[in-house]
Amino acid sequence: GEDVEQSLFLSVREGDSSVINCTYTDSSSTYLYWYKQEPGAGLQLLTYIFSNMDMKQDQRLTVLLNKKDKHLSLRIADTQTGDSAIYFCAETYSTLTFGKGTMLLVSP
Amino acid sequence: NAGVTQTPKFQVLKTGQSMTLQCAQDMNHNSMYWYRQDPGMGLRLIYYSASEGTTDKGEVPNGYNVSRLNKREFSLRLESAAPSQTSVYFCASSPGGEPTEAFFGQGTRLTVV
Repeated sequence: GEDVEQSLFLSVREGDSSVINCTYTDSSSTYLYWYKQEPGAGLQLLTYIFSNMDMKQDQRLTVLLNKKDKHLSLRIADTQTGDSAIYFCAETYSTLTFGKGTMLLVSP
Repeated sequence: NAGVTQTPKFQVLKTGQSMTLQCAQDMNHNSMYWYRQDPGMGLRLIYYSASEGTTDKGEVPNGYNVSRLNKREFSLRLESAAPSQTSVYFCASSPGGEPTEAFFGQGTRLTVV
């Protein structure tokens, strides 16, 4: 069965880089995703990576994929207080399957 | 465009009562989903509809029913609410195919007492 694991909490200072990690089990996932949830809101898609890629960069966001180890990471450069949110890793195993989410707290 | 609209935003039910959560999208998406979010459990899929006229069970379908009324609307029904169904419910839609760019509603916070 499918399973997506994430660490539950990360605290950083404003201006630092944040790295959120995820492991997944379904090696047949074509795409892997990062979603963001701000307080009181639904999830929004941040970025995704095709499984044949190792890295994808999108402005302050860098996604790294190690397919051999089934490890996905999201790096946020120059983290701002507005980046405080819950970040979900997801894979498509018949349907979109989410991890439990990592709460990122950015302090000034 | 409103995107994905869920109603109501908040609801309190007594055990045994029934209710329907409504969801509508205006993006002409083929696929629609219902998730529940509980502390420490992340998002779990209740039911989904890959296209108009089809529905399938997700990870936690017990106690729920769904109706894909048309391409825009996907409702979730609790026939006899239980305290274990206290949760935040999210509806989402996506165009279909991959990558799955899902768009979420604002959520319905349901409390069953």
